[in-house]
Amino acid sequence: DSGVTQTPKHLITATGQRVTLRCSPRSGDLSVYWYQQSLDQGLQFLIQYYNGEERAKGNILERFSAQQFPDLHSELNLSSLELGDSALYFCASSVAGGGADTQYFGPGTRLTVL
Amino acid sequence: GQNIDQPTEMTATEGAIVQINCTYQTSGFNGLFWYQQHAGEAPTFLSYNVLDGLEEKGRFSSFLSRSKGYSYLLLKELQMKDSASYLCAVFYNQGGKLIFGQGTELSVKP
Repeated sequence: DSGVTQTPKHLITATGQRVTLRCSPRSGDLSVYWYQQSLDQGLQFLIQYYNGEERAKGNILERFSAQQFPDLHSELNLSSLELGDSALYFCASSVAGGGADTQYFGPGTRLTVL
Repeated sequence: GQNIDQPTEMTATEGAIVQINCTYQTSGFNGLFWYQQHAGEAPTFLSYNVLDGLEEKGRFSSFLSRSKGYSYLLLKELQMKDSASYLCAVFYNQGGKLIFGQGTELSVKP
């Protein structure tokens, strides 16, 4: 158990809908990262927040957005969902967010878009 | 780009030793991680290298050559539970993000 929690574990929804994924980092960690993992793409970095501010951005679609709240939990919002958005979404956290920081991953949310 | 290359799959025998290689582009390099991921589960941290040389941690060791853009993960005394995907990930200064390779699917046979 990494200490990172994610809810829900599974999510099934329809195309065009909007969903929110939630992540709580390990106690004491200030950085939160979101990743998408699909069978053909591997683990893709989406976005990083550090202490409430956006720190780094990957290939995150405009339909996706995220935020980190004052209590350091984070939410990833996915809207206008498409079939191709079906994937495992992982949240990770680290102490500060620099290059030497180890990222610890949560159990993931499996999103299925029908 | 920041391509990270590792073999797609490997097979080894229980009790043996296996080496999983990873090559990466050196420009902007600022550290390399190895993670283990069982199917449908979260990646779990195995090792971190930022300086040249070998880091040993029990049955697992990781090696880095910064000048060659090369790393390997060495797994000794293989066990069936070591069957998993092994992900090589590089932190690059440009953009400040961790880039993952596609992973090497290791199958350990009896």
